[in-house]
Amino acid sequence: DTAVSQTPKYLVTQMGNDKSIKCEQNLGHDTMYWYKQDSKKFLKIMFSYNNKELIINETVPNRFSPKSPDKAHLNLHINSLELGDSAVYFCASSYGQGATDTQYFGPGTRLTVL
Amino acid sequence: GENVEQHPSTLSVQEGDSAVIKCTYSDSASNYFPWYKQELGKRPQLIIDIRSNVGEKKDQRIAVTLNKTAKHFSLHITETQPEDSAVYFCAASKRGSQGNLIFGKGTKLSVKP
Repeated sequence: DTAVSQTPKYLVTQMGNDKSIKCEQNLGHDTMYWYKQDSKKFLKIMFSYNNKELIINETVPNRFSPKSPDKAHLNLHINSLELGDSAVYFCASSYGQGATDTQYFGPGTRLTVL
Repeated sequence: GENVEQHPSTLSVQEGDSAVIKCTYSDSASNYFPWYKQELGKRPQLIIDIRSNVGEKKDQRIAVTLNKTAKHFSLHITETQPEDSAVYFCAASKRGSQGNLIFGKGTKLSVKP
């Protein structure tokens, strides 16, 4: 099934821990993104990568570090988790990095920090 | 930077009625306006989009209109059905932004049978 996939779907952890979320797309897209959706459903872009190169880095704490081993994968590592990091994190991908390229979203990872 | 305002935040309609959701944007250079539907616990999915060289686009019961002068665009859903119930997000991006989509805060649409 062609899609954008993420693991894990749910992640519950204690404050101060380090965790990673993985994303893979088999759509042959060149660009991948991470979005954060907070408890009020607000969707905000965090990062985007084009062919393994970082192209968008919004105002995100340094504790968040994306890594793209190849253009089909974009992982998100979070250090020293805080309560405010609790959210749903969506990965997305698009064919190019143009403003009009449709972005396809993964199923999301619900992160709960206790 | 770009700012996208979306109204209303909640909308309740009877099945069969029409629903209209409106968005305004601040950056006149924005040229791409997608609409996403997000069902409870699911991913946002693109339902329709419009580019700045077009004033209106239709796809069955869904239509989007764009007024570049006024910097606003709207989603119109006709003959609403209970399965249209979801949160709808508008977004905007501009040439050179490298896919930086700025989202509105969403509209929760409830269609009552």
